This record gives sequence, structure tokens and C-alpha cells, in this order.
Amino acid sequence: GENVEQHPSTLSVQEGDSAVIKCTYSDSASNYFPWYKQELGKRPQLIIDIRSNVGEKKDQRIAVTLNKTAKHFSLHITETQPEDSAIYFCAASKAGAQKLVFGQGTRLTINP
Amino acid sequence: ETGVTQSPTHLIKTRGQQVTLRCSSQSGHNTVSWYQQALGQGPQFIFQYYREEENGRGNFPPRFSGLQFPNYSSELNVNALELDDSALYLCASSQESSYNSPLHFGNGTRLTVT
Repeated sequence: GENVEQHPSTLSVQEGDSAVIKCTYSDSASNYFPWYKQELGKRPQLIIDIRSNVGEKKDQRIAVTLNKTAKHFSLHITETQPEDSAIYFCAASKAGAQKLVFGQGTRLTINP
Repeated sequence: ETGVTQSPTHLIKTRGQQVTLRCSSQSGHNTVSWYQQALGQGPQFIFQYYREEENGRGNFPPRFSGLQFPNYSSELNVNALELDDSALYLCASSQESSYNSPLHFGNGTRLTVT
């Protein structure tokens, strides 16, 4: 079945700098890739998603890139702010499968 | 718009007991999925319910079962609890059962099995 690997497991950046989180997936049929943000003790919240018919998607300070050939996708956060501190999860899914397969998560800390 | 609500928020059970967790889907959503999130891990898919029937299942034993009601709310039942069942149980609803329909999660139920 699908396997999603996420790196790094922890990431610490200075406020205002950029943060990049990378994920690889194993099933070439996967074609939907959402990213979730989970603050301590709170629910995972969808922050951005991308479908396989596009290579990049942006929403203000957040962007996601997808390389289907290499089977990896990345989350880019620019001009980081303290409120960006959280655990971020990538996930993958495909047609015919009702489930999302999640990565192990990245704990992002923004240092003031 | 009412979001996904789960009850209870916390629960402590003894090994061998049974537990029922509840979830109310977001208004306008007809599909409910359940995920188990162990400490320090990503959520793992348990199963999905659509039109009151199980519509996909992850790698969980039959002692994990569920229900969906006509108002789209759902229950997760776990029998013969084991210590490894200790986790955060997340319910997520979506507008459709499609694989790329965005999931909206509840705050979860923290289950501790002693």
C-alpha cells in the first residue's frame, strides 16, 4: 500500500525566514496531496492541497510544489511568524481509496 | 456553520473493556471518516462511513466497528480494549466520499487504556 515519508521530523527557523518540509510517496497512482497544521491539543486543519494536474499552488505565504516523476511534494512557508509554530502533516490519496495516508509529521518552531 | 464535534474529549478505560466514541459531522457533510493518532505519529485511517454504510477500511481488526446515522453523525466502537489502543481518535467529515474531498477534523477524543 501507499507509504508517505516526511522530513525533517523537527525544524527550527528564525522568524521571517523560510521553512521547507518535504514528503515522498510510494504509490505512483496517488494524485491528491493535502497539508494539515496541528497546533498543540487542537484538531488538524487543512492549510493547502494540490492535485496532480498542477505542479505548484500558492496561498499567500504558503506554497506547495509537486514532482510526480520523483514522487515528492514540498510545503514552503515564507516570512515565517511565531503563529506558524505547529506540527505539519503531509498526506496522499488516490481515486478509489477513501483514505488519506499521512506522513509522520514535522514539528516546526519559529524562533522570535 | 457548525464544525465537527466529538465526545467525550477524554476517556480512561481498563484493558478488556469496550468504548464508544461519538462524532457529529459538519453541516452539509455526508461522509465521516475515523482516524487513530498515536503520540508523535500521523493519523492512521480506521474506516469511512457514507450513506450509513462502511465505505473503506484501514488495517484495523474487527473489534473496531462503527455506525453512521441518518443525520450523518457517527460512532466508533472498540471492543476488548488493549493498551496499544491508547491514542487520540479523530473524526473527520467531508462533503462527499470522494478521495479528494477535503477532510474537516474534530478536536478528537483522547483515549487512555490502563
